[in-house]
Amino acid sequence: DAKTTQPPSMDCAEGRAANLPCNHSTISGNEYVYWYRQIHSQGPQYIIHGLKNNETNEMASLIITEDRKSSTLILPHATLRDTAVYYCIVRVATWRDDKIIFGKGTRLHILP
Amino acid sequence: NAGVTQTPKFRVLKTGQSMTLLCAQDMNHEYMYWYRQDPGMGLRLIHYSVGEGTTAKGEVPDGYNVSRLKKQNFLLGLESAAPSQTSVYFCASSYLLTAAPTDTQYFGPGTRLTVL
Repeated sequence: DAKTTQPPSMDCAEGRAANLPCNHSTISGNEYVYWYRQIHSQGPQYIIHGLKNNETNEMASLIITEDRKSSTLILPHATLRDTAVYYCIVRVATWRDDKIIFGKGTRLHILP
Repeated sequence: NAGVTQTPKFRVLKTGQSMTLLCAQDMNHEYMYWYRQDPGMGLRLIHYSVGEGTTAKGEVPDGYNVSRLKKQNFLLGLESAAPSQTSVYFCASSYLLTAAPTDTQYFGPGTRLTVL
């Protein structure tokens, strides 16, 4: 079972910041938070990941709460091309077992 | 550098037929994965491999077999297809996890399989 909980859908106006929440209350100390997105009919695309510090890259920012039980993916200036399903995943990076479980994700609609 | 490729892109089978889906990656990745995605669902892990000659079961392995004879290829087999296996199948690969935390999964374009 997925270890994360996300809202099934969200809307965001074009040009505004899109804030996608994720709950992972049972996260372990050695588990990372990863975000992927899937644009219609394509394979998932990596966005960002983090352990406990906030992270930023050219696509997005990831804010992880101090207790690590939840996180927020921020797309700073959403465009129509950001319409996709966004998956929040927690995973352990070990060499022996790399099962990655996707949940149902959040369907983000960017409104013109 | 083609990344992750999948063959075929589309396939229609009759119940009971068998087939093999091929995934190939040219990034020298150690890890490879097969997922299925049904309408309105997230991706569910079928099988995965942590290196050449090794495979392991994922979340929904029943009805599928896999082989990783070469590092760059990961094959998914359906011995006796059933309508419940109608789905979109995605393959992915990633670096050896000792390269973490910067490793990510790279996905192929998917194979749409219909079982009648």
